[in-house]
Amino acid sequence: GQNIDQPTEMTATEGAIVQINCTYQTSGFNGLFWYQQHAGEAPTFLSYNVLDGLEEKGRFSSFLSRSKGYSYLLLKELQMKDSASYLCAAKDSNYQLIWGAGTKLIIKP
Amino acid sequence: GAVVSQHPSWVICKSGTSVKIECRSLDFQATTMFWYRQFPKQSLMLMATSNEGSKATYEQGVEKDKFLINHASLTLSTLTVTSAHPEDSSFYICSARDRGETEAFFGQGTRLTVV
Repeated sequence: GQNIDQPTEMTATEGAIVQINCTYQTSGFNGLFWYQQHAGEAPTFLSYNVLDGLEEKGRFSSFLSRSKGYSYLLLKELQMKDSASYLCAAKDSNYQLIWGAGTKLIIKP
Repeated sequence: GAVVSQHPSWVICKSGTSVKIECRSLDFQATTMFWYRQFPKQSLMLMATSNEGSKATYEQGVEKDKFLINHASLTLSTLTVTSAHPEDSSFYICSARDRGETEAFFGQGTRLTVV
């Protein structure tokens, strides 16, 4: 079956760095997405990886290893507004998004 | 990025009535639209995928007669929850993608409460 695993909840301190991991098992693979979702709001796009390696976009970076079925989202210089759920989603061979349950990130002062 | 407008943001309706949710792409052609449902503290669950001008493809377990999807134009898709029941109360989110594009953009979501 298809599956996305990511931690349920993480806590980090303002100004610090946090890494949110995601492992996936899908029928075929056509890319991996990270979304940020604040409570009561729709997800917003953060990143897309289809090739191995690190993609950096400001304070956020995303890494992919296709051979390991693994990705992580790295958030630097954490701000209080980064408190949100972070959703990992992999696109399978049918170009369907398979969603993880999300990681709730709590930022403490 | 592209803008997807979803309306209404929230709605309360009586059990047994129908509710229509609209999803519009404002600055691009949404050849494909996706409708999701999200229960509290859970991830998004894809309900159906619709391509402009054709019938929607529903995911297993989603009743097509209960959740009517219309994608009649390249900028508008609607989801109608018919004969709503309290268990249909959820956060409904649409996303839209242009042909050939990788990224799909999300609407703001609609919080439906059936009383």
